Amino acid sequence: SQQGEEDPQALSIQEGENATMNCSYKTSINNLQWYRQNSGRGLVHLILIRSNEREKHSGRLRVTLDTSKKSSSLLITASRAADTASYFCATSLGGGSYIPTFGRGTSLIVHP
Amino acid sequence: DAGVTQSPTHLIKTRGQQVTLRCSPKSGHDTVSWYQQALGQGPQFIFQYYEEEERQRGNFPDRFSGHQFPNYSSELNVNALLLGDSALYLCASSLQDQPQHFGDGTRLSIL
Repeated sequence: SQQGEEDPQALSIQEGENATMNCSYKTSINNLQWYRQNSGRGLVHLILIRSNEREKHSGRLRVTLDTSKKSSSLLITASRAADTASYFCATSLGGGSYIPTFGRGTSLIVHP
Repeated sequence: DAGVTQSPTHLIKTRGQQVTLRCSPKSGHDTVSWYQQALGQGPQFIFQYYEEEERQRGNFPDRFSGHQFPNYSSELNVNALLLGDSALYLCASSLQDQPQHFGDGTRLSIL
């Protein structure tokens, strides 16, 4: 079963706009990660946020985590055509298990 | 510094056959995990190897087996292939429990 579920399933925006993707999960977690996957390629790790953190930034990426709502969001500011990809959230439960469990992903298309 | 490399990139097999996929981890990494990604889905965890032992396993049948070698490289073996085994198989390496680095996968098609 998949722990995280991304929303929306698909997102289409114009270059320069911001893109926001959400992830909801069901059980308490140790950390949550966001990955990007370009078509036909492997996954690229973007950001890891721990359960005791509320917000993290990396370049044009901003991730928030609300453990009370069991949800996270990924914001990409000033999007570029090169940001076109699928984005996955992955949760790790901790307690000896750090295997990330992936959702189905959000497909982002950025039009030039 | 080479990242995670997987071979072959594409493979076509028929039902009932057996397949072996290979993975070389990123330099300095000691842990290798394997995932199955069906079209339009997220990766599903198959198993993880550390110190040549299977450390954790996902919900996959015994037809899926693996091995890790002393140089940390790894193989995924699948026996008695089914049509439903058609997928992208991803290998990821890490240094113990740090974030994983993924290879570009092996696209397996079962006819």
